[in-house]
Amino acid sequence: GNSVTQMEGPVTLSEEAFLTINCTYTATGYPSLFWYVQYPGEGLQLLLKATKADDKGSNKGFEATYRKETTSFHLEKGSVQVSDSAVYFCALYDNTDKLIFGTGTRLQVFP
Amino acid sequence: GAVVSQHPSWVICKSGTSVKIECRSLDFQATTMFWYRQFPKQSLMLMATSNEGSKATYEQGVEKDKFLINHASLTLSTLTVTSAHPEDSSFYICSARGARGRSYNEQFFGPGTRLTVL
Repeated sequence: GNSVTQMEGPVTLSEEAFLTINCTYTATGYPSLFWYVQYPGEGLQLLLKATKADDKGSNKGFEATYRKETTSFHLEKGSVQVSDSAVYFCALYDNTDKLIFGTGTRLQVFP
Repeated sequence: GAVVSQHPSWVICKSGTSVKIECRSLDFQATTMFWYRQFPKQSLMLMATSNEGSKATYEQGVEKDKFLINHASLTLSTLTVTSAHPEDSSFYICSARGARGRSYNEQFFGPGTRLTVL
């Protein structure tokens, strides 16, 4: 079945460090791919998305490129801030009309 | 943007009681709403999908008589946890999706409801 695999956390970084959170997927067809962010005690917020191969989603300094050849959608940010500390979920929307989430990666940024 | 609210944001109840959680789409009509459950430090697990005016479709392993879902209007869905027990304590999150033509393949999430059963 369709699935999403994320790197395990927590990821601990100093402020202004470069961030990469790996995400790979298994799916039939051409799913849409998403990154969601969850701040402590809150629901999920859409961070960025890409709907077809080679699309790059970007928002708030975060970027991710839909790579069909490697079935990946890695999240990157050039310079993280303390306020970026949260849990990040990679997800895909497949032909079963459901969002399938990865297990989430906790990011902790220290000043 | 599309806004989804949930009420209450947190609830504490005694074992054996029932709890109702509301999910509202505030500025769009949600033809489909989804209910998720999230355990501490884990991912979201889809519990059920509900379409306005029809019965909810439950995921495998989710007790439909335990978790009653009603989607009576295009802006409101409710989840009732019946005869709640401590193992039902969790963070419940709803999401809503609009009709075709409005980011059809995007779900907008509510802020979640933390349920604690004593």
